Amino acid sequence: GAVVSQHPSWVICKSGTSVKIECRSLDFQATTMFWYRQFPKQSLMLMATSNEGSKATYEQGVEKDKFLINHASLTLSTLTVTSAHPEDSSFYICSARVTGAPAYGYTFGSGTRLTVV
Amino acid sequence: DAKTTQPTSMDCAEGRAANLPCNHSTISGNEYVYWYRQIHSQGPQYIIHGLKNNETNEMASLIITEDRKSSTLILPHATLRDTAVYYCIVRVLISSNTGKLIFGQGTTLQVKP
Repeated sequence: GAVVSQHPSWVICKSGTSVKIECRSLDFQATTMFWYRQFPKQSLMLMATSNEGSKATYEQGVEKDKFLINHASLTLSTLTVTSAHPEDSSFYICSARVTGAPAYGYTFGSGTRLTVV
Repeated sequence: DAKTTQPTSMDCAEGRAANLPCNHSTISGNEYVYWYRQIHSQGPQYIIHGLKNNETNEMASLIITEDRKSSTLILPHATLRDTAVYYCIVRVLISSNTGKLIFGQGTTLQVKP
């Protein structure tokens, strides 16, 4: 149980275009989801916390107008990278807090590798 | 910022116990310690978490010192498939009933034959 599905697993886009990444909780409801970014050989960096039905909370230094987060339902959060540039190429990972299941706590998606050319 | 410090890398012989230390000297009384691991290009995998008491599950044991300023993750019989980056994380509360995981640099564990 407590599976988070992330789609797509990889995407290549042209510079200046926008890319949407989806994060779905498959067998539980996620009122809170988290988005991370990871550059090669580095740790995960928390970008933002999304709450169902309200605005996301962004970490310091993360551009909210560039990384649009929507959490419109209890099972889906999306991250849109707008006007992508090569420096946005990274591994993006979502996570969801699993309520009522302390054995899991927080479960992570398998990540999306974004390459901007 | 992450509230944990870990050694950058460790080696362990296959079949032996792997003991991964973590310092979290600024931890608050209601903050949990979580351990995750990440195998290359995958999402982090949950291992174990605890508050004060030692914990054990099918994957590992977590030993937390009495003052809660440090902890040790123990993989009792390491296998080659346990080679990964291991993250010790202190959950930072953002509301009364939820928190966020801020990752530190982690320990790269290399299990050798």
